[in-house]
Amino acid sequence: DGGITQSPKYLFRKEGQNVTLSCEQNLNHDAMYWYRQDPGQGLRLIYYSQIVNDFQKGDIAEGYSVSREKKESFPLTVTSAQKNPTAFYLCASSVRDISPGEQYFGPGTRLTVT
Amino acid sequence: AQSVTQLDSHVSVSEGTPVLLRCNYSSSYSPSLFWYVQHPNKGLQLLLKYTSAATLVKGINGFEAEFKKSETSFHLTKPSAHMSDAAEYFCVVIPYNQGGKLIFGQGTELSVKP
Repeated sequence: DGGITQSPKYLFRKEGQNVTLSCEQNLNHDAMYWYRQDPGQGLRLIYYSQIVNDFQKGDIAEGYSVSREKKESFPLTVTSAQKNPTAFYLCASSVRDISPGEQYFGPGTRLTVT
Repeated sequence: AQSVTQLDSHVSVSEGTPVLLRCNYSSSYSPSLFWYVQHPNKGLQLLLKYTSAATLVKGINGFEAEFKKSETSFHLTKPSAHMSDAAEYFCVVIPYNQGGKLIFGQGTELSVKP
């Protein structure tokens, strides 16, 4: 089955630790995105990548880092510099330049930092 | 700047009655508009999209939306609610000339009573 997988579904970390969230897609999409979702705030873009080995900051990139070494994978690291990391994180992908706005989302990872 | 405003944070309807979820947009250009749905603890799924073709757009699961330029609105409707429609709905706009970046509304939570 084609789709996007995110693991784990739930993640717990202690304050001060870095943590990496996984996102893998087998849709052969060029573009991938990371969003953060907080109650009542919709989704906010953290980072996006339109092609392998290239990525751009979104609206709330501070305290996060990404890499895009393979087309299929776009891991997100939440660093200790992120002031309020507890949130629901969603990864998405799309076919670049075709049907802009049509993004396919993974099931999400709920991160809790205490 | 382009933005979307969802006028209701929560809507409650009875099963079998009509659904209306309201969205207004702000854009200097002819926008591309979308509705996404998110079931609890899941990723988002595209419901429908408007990209300057027909102003009445039909989507999945019996939903439709009408683009009204004079009112800068893109409200989502369904004639008869089903229990499975209970979810959060997001109105989304693509900023002009910014590739696949999406701007999300704050979301409307739809409850369906038996």
